[in-house]
Amino acid sequence: DAKTTQPPSMDCAEGRAANLPCNHSTISGNEYVYWYRQIHSQGPQYIIHGLKNNETNEMASLIITEDRKSSTLILPHATLRDTAVYYCIVKDNYGQNFVFGPGTRLSVLP
Amino acid sequence: DAEITQSPRHKITETGRQVTLACHQTWNHNNMFWYRQDLGHGLRLIHYSYGVQDTNKGEVSDGYSVSRSNTEDLPLTLESAASSQTSVYFCASSDQGGSNEQFFGPGTRLTVL
Repeated sequence: DAKTTQPPSMDCAEGRAANLPCNHSTISGNEYVYWYRQIHSQGPQYIIHGLKNNETNEMASLIITEDRKSSTLILPHATLRDTAVYYCIVKDNYGQNFVFGPGTRLSVLP
Repeated sequence: DAEITQSPRHKITETGRQVTLACHQTWNHNNMFWYRQDLGHGLRLIHYSYGVQDTNKGEVSDGYSVSRSNTEDLPLTLESAASSQTSVYFCASSDQGGSNEQFFGPGTRLTVL
């Protein structure tokens, strides 16, 4: 079973920041938080991951709370092409398998 | 550029037929995975491999088999296709250790009539 809880859907206006929350209250000390997204009919695409510290790359920022029980993926300037299902996954670096839950369907509106 | 490819992209077959879906990656990754995706279920792991000659069962392995004879390929075989195996199949690969991020192929849409 997925160890994360995400809202089933969210809307965001084009050009605004999209903030996607994820709860992972049972996360273990050695588990990372990963984010993937899946644009319609395509394979999932890696976005970002982190352990404790906040992370930023060219696609997004990941904010992890101090107690690590929740995190937020931030797309700073959402575009229509960011419309997708976003998956939050927790996994350690020993197990190789990702468990995908239902994710959040983000709709970026013009 | 390195990539992961799947073939065919679409396949229609009949119940009882043997079907093989191909997955090929050029990253030289040790780890390869097969998932299926159905409405309402997200992605579910079928089989995975950590290297040549290594295979392991995932969450929904019944009716499927894989073999790993080289680093680049992990073909998925449906021994006797069933209508319940109509799905979209994704292959993925990852490097050993490190961040373990998985890179996914474009998917194969399989219909079993």
